[in-house]
Amino acid sequence: NAGVMQNPRHLVRRRGQEARLRCSPMKGHSHVYWYRQLPEEGLKFMVYLQKENIIDESGMPKERFSAEFPKEGPSILRIQQVVRGDSAAYFCASSPILLAGGPDTQYFGPGTRLTVL
Amino acid sequence: AQKITQTQPGMFVQEKEAVTLDCTYDTSDPSYGLFWYKQPSSGEMIFLIYQGSYDQQNATEGRYSLNFQKARKSANLVISASQLGDSAMYFCAMREGSGNQFYFGTGTSLTVIP
Repeated sequence: NAGVMQNPRHLVRRRGQEARLRCSPMKGHSHVYWYRQLPEEGLKFMVYLQKENIIDESGMPKERFSAEFPKEGPSILRIQQVVRGDSAAYFCASSPILLAGGPDTQYFGPGTRLTVL
Repeated sequence: AQKITQTQPGMFVQEKEAVTLDCTYDTSDPSYGLFWYKQPSSGEMIFLIYQGSYDQQNATEGRYSLNFQKARKSANLVISASQLGDSAMYFCAMREGSGNQFYFGTGTSLTVIP
């Protein structure tokens, strides 16, 4: 059973360019989460999606960032007009339905390390 | 207030010894889950252990155990018989009730000395 897949693993962009990060959840998982990890920090929640729906985007910056999880294909985190402060590791996680207080964890992908020059 | 606090930026332990990594949490939700993840230098996040707020016993998974003290709101990770491969960053995380997101601490860097 393949784990969460993310690509690319490393992405270099110049300021002003667009970054597209892809995430394929584990088989059977319909919930996808995106987190950002700045250097020397823990992961910070960005957005939670189910197929074709954004459920919670409370952690997403208001501008330049968007996410989608289409009916077919991977989830995409898109960053437009990147700036140096966007340099970070972006992790995707997936899970089955989470039950209240349940032990179901989120399974993380290997991350995409974005460097903005 | 921080949801998860890890006060040890770095820890050292001798190979084969036990080590405790501290984690305190803050929530008013009676139902929550506590998780520990390992992040080696390669960068991936590896799930280690889970503790539910209603669990009566401390969770154990192989060499990992969670010292859960509910009244003190602490969920310390204990690694027994440390191995060189345990050297990594360790993150404590919490999910509240049926909430969507995990809250992560800033992590503890563990170095196992041969």
